Amino acid sequence: DIQMTQSPSSLSASVGDRVTITCRASQSISIYLNWYQQKPGKAPKLLIYAASTLQSGVPSRFSGSRSGTDFTLTISSLQPEDFATYSCQQSYSVPRTFGQGTKLEIK
Amino acid sequence: EVQVLESGGGLVQPGGSLRVSCAASGFTFSNYAMSWVRQAPGKGLEWISGIGGDGSSTWYEDSVKGRFTISRDNSKNTLYLQMNSLRAEDTAVYYCAKDSYDNSGSRYDNWGQGTLVTVSS
Repeated sequence: DIQMTQSPSSLSASVGDRVTITCRASQSISIYLNWYQQKPGKAPKLLIYAASTLQSGVPSRFSGSRSGTDFTLTISSLQPEDFATYSCQQSYSVPRTFGQGTKLEIK
Repeated sequence: EVQVLESGGGLVQPGGSLRVSCAASGFTFSNYAMSWVRQAPGKGLEWISGIGGDGSSTWYEDSVKGRFTISRDNSKNTLYLQMNSLRAEDTAVYYCAKDSYDNSGSRYDNWGQGTLVTVSS
């Protein structure tokens, strides 16, 4: 199975900050990496797929990039509604493994 | 509007069985693979099973293989997860998710609100 390792596991930031979350795959997964946002008590929401493609309706302050087996989710200017947990997921092979999540909290 | 809505969760004793369902609407159900993803209390997301659009292909995570069975009824636009030999560690919110697939790969672009399964005596 492919292991997905996210860092950091938690992060404190302020409105307006630029934030970066990283996800590392245990082997090559090409571009097949998705990012989800989840708020407490709610279902996950797809933000980015194929490493860097923004899902329809997602604000442009969210972006994704890839360097080998390292993937990055960047929020360019944090908004109050962005405080949530972010998870990566590989879609290269079954089982479709998720990272452990990064909880983004208000500083 | 695309919607998926889970039902059937509840309290079950260890070793017991439960079937959860997911009713889909707003898209051509048979054209899409579907998956079940669960989340234990305070934990991360865990993919547990998927099924192809026509139901002929199924996939399972090792911890549920042999105990859980995914199926679908395309005439009813409904996805199912039959869970047998339930354990305390199966306690989680169970989400169904629509799997969109193209040249950019697979991703879960629509999720239900989840149904809570609690395994306890």
